[in-house]
Amino acid sequence: RKEVEQDPGPFNVPEGATVAFNCTYSNSASQSFFWYRQDCRKEPKLLMSVYSSGNEDGRFTAQLNRASQYISLLIRDSKLSDSATYLCVVNMNNQGGKLIFGQGTELSVKP
Amino acid sequence: DGGITQSPKYLFRKEGQNVTLSCEQNLNHDAMYWYRQDPGQGLRLIYYSQIVNDFQKGDIAEGYSVSREKKESFPLTVTSAQKNPTAFYLCASSYAGTAIREQYFGPGTRLTVT
Repeated sequence: RKEVEQDPGPFNVPEGATVAFNCTYSNSASQSFFWYRQDCRKEPKLLMSVYSSGNEDGRFTAQLNRASQYISLLIRDSKLSDSATYLCVVNMNNQGGKLIFGQGTELSVKP
Repeated sequence: DGGITQSPKYLFRKEGQNVTLSCEQNLNHDAMYWYRQDPGQGLRLIYYSQIVNDFQKGDIAEGYSVSREKKESFPLTVTSAQKNPTAFYLCASSYAGTAIREQYFGPGTRLTVT
């Protein structure tokens, strides 16, 4: 089993749609969680950290369920510019800040 | 402007040659990391360093070497022993010693070995 698993995608949605990405992680010792965004042939960029109580940043909402070892990202009112690959990332702080990356879920927002 | 720079953006080498990829940061981060990404795959950790003059192997260190002589710099050498060196190489950095350690990435180097 992979340490971090994501919906494989691709997700093709119309502008204005709401889309949700799911991610599960295998190591219960994981302590920090992130969503990164990666545009085609570019480096990953931090989208948001994920906090235990859930957090929101504009159209983006992240949720964490430690009991189920599950992380989600909700994008409301999708824009064309949201088209990218979204990476679920888990940090096991007891391993020197090592990040474990999911393989990513591709999102394509169409007009 | 603070950030992470990697050079060059594209690199072409013949099989059997060693090649060194540059990574520099001026974010005053203690920790630096090297990843490789292959098409359609997630990032895999090659080496990381939490402090100057110290570094640890990641998941796929074979065929690679690093040095950390300065806080700002963490060069990666891809040796001829690396069986499949063609990939997108990404350098990242972060603060060490905090619970939440977001990593910030440089623009990457695309290495092609023929």
